[in-house]
Amino acid sequence: DAGITQSPRHKVTETGTPVTLRCHQTENHRYMYWYRQDPGHGLRLIHYSYGVKDTDKGEVSDGYSVSRSKTEDFLLTLESATSSQTSVYFCAISDIAGGPTDTQYFGPGTRLTVL
Amino acid sequence: GESVGLHLPTLSVQEGDNSIINCAYSNSASDYFIWYKQESGKGPQFIIDIRSNMDKRQGQRVTVLLNKTVKHLSLQIAATQPGDSAVYFCAENTSGYSTLTFGKGTMLLVSP
Repeated sequence: DAGITQSPRHKVTETGTPVTLRCHQTENHRYMYWYRQDPGHGLRLIHYSYGVKDTDKGEVSDGYSVSRSKTEDFLLTLESATSSQTSVYFCAISDIAGGPTDTQYFGPGTRLTVL
Repeated sequence: GESVGLHLPTLSVQEGDNSIINCAYSNSASDYFIWYKQESGKGPQFIIDIRSNMDKRQGQRVTVLLNKTVKHLSLQIAATQPGDSAVYFCAENTSGYSTLTFGKGTMLLVSP
């Protein structure tokens, strides 16, 4: 998984509670991404970061926020979880040399269930 | 925005056969394409990529073909093995954009 870890790997929570997922990389890559994957939808981009404190929205950003205070960590927060946010969440990174169009490498995923 | 369109059937092959997985994309401005493999319960794994200035690229047992005229991408797997069973999906990038667009995937099932 190209030096990418995600935590937790599994989480069950209740509607209305805040949830934070963590992505940690050891590759010193500039770009980091958060995706969700749902049956019938494939991978959809939530937010991404192009440097420390530099982030932008993706296709499905509503209900999510992110933070990147260090190169190696990218946090995804669900301020008030809803059942529609039950999904598998993947973090990805891409190489600084190639910029954002270079290959993205994925972490192992976090399975989140919101009851 | 325009997105990669991937035919979503399940492809069933026998061990040892060659497999071909197809992907149609709609954005003629896309200039970089990637194939990923995703096994059950795991994250997508990079297989091979190709830039728009190429028509073909080969890796170990895999070949990607790009036909820009008809906006079609294919992944060929030679001598398919049971360990190749997974979901395969393609992704495209459009120059000037900092993100990839992913297709929905094709399930490849390899029977011994």
